[in-house]
Amino acid sequence: GAVVSQHPSRVICKSGTSVKIECRSLDFQATTMFWYRQFPKKSLMLMATSNEGSKATYEQGVEKDKFLINHASLTLSTLTVTSAHPEDSSFYICSARVAVTYEQYFGPGTRLTVT
Amino acid sequence: GQQLNQSPQSMFIQEGEDVSMNCTSSSIFNTWLWYKQDPGEGPVLLIALYKAGELTSNGRLTAQFGITRKDSFLNISASIPSDVGIYFCAGDNFGNEKLTFGTGTRLTIIP
Repeated sequence: GAVVSQHPSRVICKSGTSVKIECRSLDFQATTMFWYRQFPKKSLMLMATSNEGSKATYEQGVEKDKFLINHASLTLSTLTVTSAHPEDSSFYICSARVAVTYEQYFGPGTRLTVT
Repeated sequence: GQQLNQSPQSMFIQEGEDVSMNCTSSSIFNTWLWYKQDPGEGPVLLIALYKAGELTSNGRLTAQFGITRKDSFLNISASIPSDVGIYFCAGDNFGNEKLTFGTGTRLTIIP
């Protein structure tokens, strides 16, 4: 149980385009999902908290107009990187929180490369 | 943002050896979680700890929630090649929702 999927696993896009990443909880409902960014050999950096049916809460320094988050259902959250630039290239990971235990389960990550 | 301090940063061991790593914080947490991350993958939850002093095992892994709520350790017994990876601790406060992650411990097994 507690499986989280992400799609796509890898994406290459050109500067100026937008990319959407999907995060799904496959066998449980998640009222709260989280989006992280990870640089090589570094720990996970929380970008935003995604709440079903309401606006996402962004961490300090994360541009909400650049990283659009939509949590439309209890099993799906999406992150859209708008007008991507090479510095947005990174490993993006989502997680979903189990309501009762507060445990967070992570997706397999999405490797974004902006050329 | 805040991070938990993990030590050691990296470990080089031989197969079959036992491993011990710990995580410390300046603030208390109500929950401690230990994750393992393989290259190019998301972290996988290994052990969750909910009570101060709690000692929990998962196969060859054992973790303890420090009595002060400011630290936790993870032990791996009789290491095997698939134990290679990066181990992260994470702390959670009820009501805060967000996980605070440790700096990571990279485990390498020397042939």
